Amino acid sequence: DVQMAQSPSSLSASVGDRVTITCRASQAIGNDLGWYQQIPGKAPKRLIFGASNLETGVPSRFSGSGSGTDFTLTISSLQPEDFATYFCLQHKSYPFSFGQGTKLEI
Amino acid sequence: QVHLVQSGGEVKMPGSSVKVSCKASGGALGSHGLSWVRQAPGQGLEWMGGIIPSFGSPHYAQKFQGRVTISTDESRTTVYMELSRLRAEDTAVYFCARENLVATNWGGGIDVWGLGTTVTVSS
Repeated sequence: DVQMAQSPSSLSASVGDRVTITCRASQAIGNDLGWYQQIPGKAPKRLIFGASNLETGVPSRFSGSGSGTDFTLTISSLQPEDFATYFCLQHKSYPFSFGQGTKLEI
Repeated sequence: QVHLVQSGGEVKMPGSSVKVSCKASGGALGSHGLSWVRQAPGQGLEWMGGIIPSFGSPHYAQKFQGRVTISTDESRTTVYMELSRLRAEDTAVYFCARENLVATNWGGGIDVWGLGTTVTVSS
């Protein structure tokens, strides 16, 4: 099974900051990785698919990179609505697996 | 645009079972799959299992093997997740989510989510 190690688990930042979140897979998964944003009490929303492709309607300040085992989500200039929890998910093989999540706080 | 509509919240006794449904509005799931993901209070997301209705055979996470059953109706518009032998630790929000089977670079992966069903296990 593929394990996803996500870091950091929490992150304090300010509006306008650039932040980076990473996920490392226990084995190569190509680019079969998505990044999701979750606001408390809501369902997750996909931001990035295929490791680096921006979902339609998602602001361009979000970007993803990586392939194989190492992946990064970058938010170039934090906005107030970006303070949420972020997860990565690998869908290369069953069982799918999530990173532990990164809570982005002001 | 597919929307996933889940059944309502449930309160269950320890040892009992719960069956949650997920209906794809806007048409059948087609050749796509559907996964179940749960989130315990204050915790992360946990993939439980999934099914591709047009293929039929579900996949389960090892943790839930033997306790979870994922099935679909004949029209392939509703998918069910049944979890048995419930315990307090199963208290969580259960999400269904579509597994888009197009190529990854075209949007493949889990893309559309239901709103979640709260299952509370308590005596």
